[in-house]
Amino acid sequence: DAKTTQPTSMDCAEGRAANLPCNHSTISGNEYVYWYRQIHSQGPQYIIHGLKNNETNEMASLIITEDRKSSTLILPHATLRDTAVYYCIVRVAGETSGSRLTFGEGTQLTVNP
Amino acid sequence: DVKVTQSSRYLVKRTGEKVFLECVQDMDHENMFWYRQDPGLGLRLIYFSYDVKMKEKGDIPEGYSVSREKKERFSLILESASTNQTSMYLCASVGPPYNEQFFGPGTRLTVL
Repeated sequence: DAKTTQPTSMDCAEGRAANLPCNHSTISGNEYVYWYRQIHSQGPQYIIHGLKNNETNEMASLIITEDRKSSTLILPHATLRDTAVYYCIVRVAGETSGSRLTFGEGTQLTVNP
Repeated sequence: DVKVTQSSRYLVKRTGEKVFLECVQDMDHENMFWYRQDPGLGLRLIYFSYDVKMKEKGDIPEGYSVSREKKERFSLILESASTNQTSMYLCASVGPPYNEQFFGPGTRLTVL
């Protein structure tokens, strides 16, 4: 799996958009970008994933640059409950028995009132 | 709406004790995983299972064993707990189309 780099921490005001960047310059053509988050003392939670087109679901939007070397996770209206560590992962989609996840240290997002 | 459950949120054991961590999922997933998570080391795979009675070693299997007698249940066993096994243990499962791993709430194990 390609390596990713993320800022260690970010702050965001409640109600504002939170934009979390991720660099993955060595991404391969068949690798997707995945985002998970982990609220303190809970298990990780899947957010979204994408290949090259922008993706949106009820939780967030994912913007991937045209060269696919970086991406941004957008939480459009951050709430206090979005305070968590956010992990960006690059991997081949749809793997079966080998579909392990490898998390680095991620970005600690703190949403302030 | 509970999908993956773990037997304990917090556990304190003594060195040398045999420890069982249980994980149950209700999504009929074939694949289940045990990870441990430590500050500065991220998430590391201990064992995984892709079918009943099947198991594969992950990246750090030493000191652990697993059991998968039923599809919904995957157990992690510490045969003789040691202080360096103090950690957060996370169970996960995944099924088709194998994109989203569902995690349990985690068990924070302390070995004294």
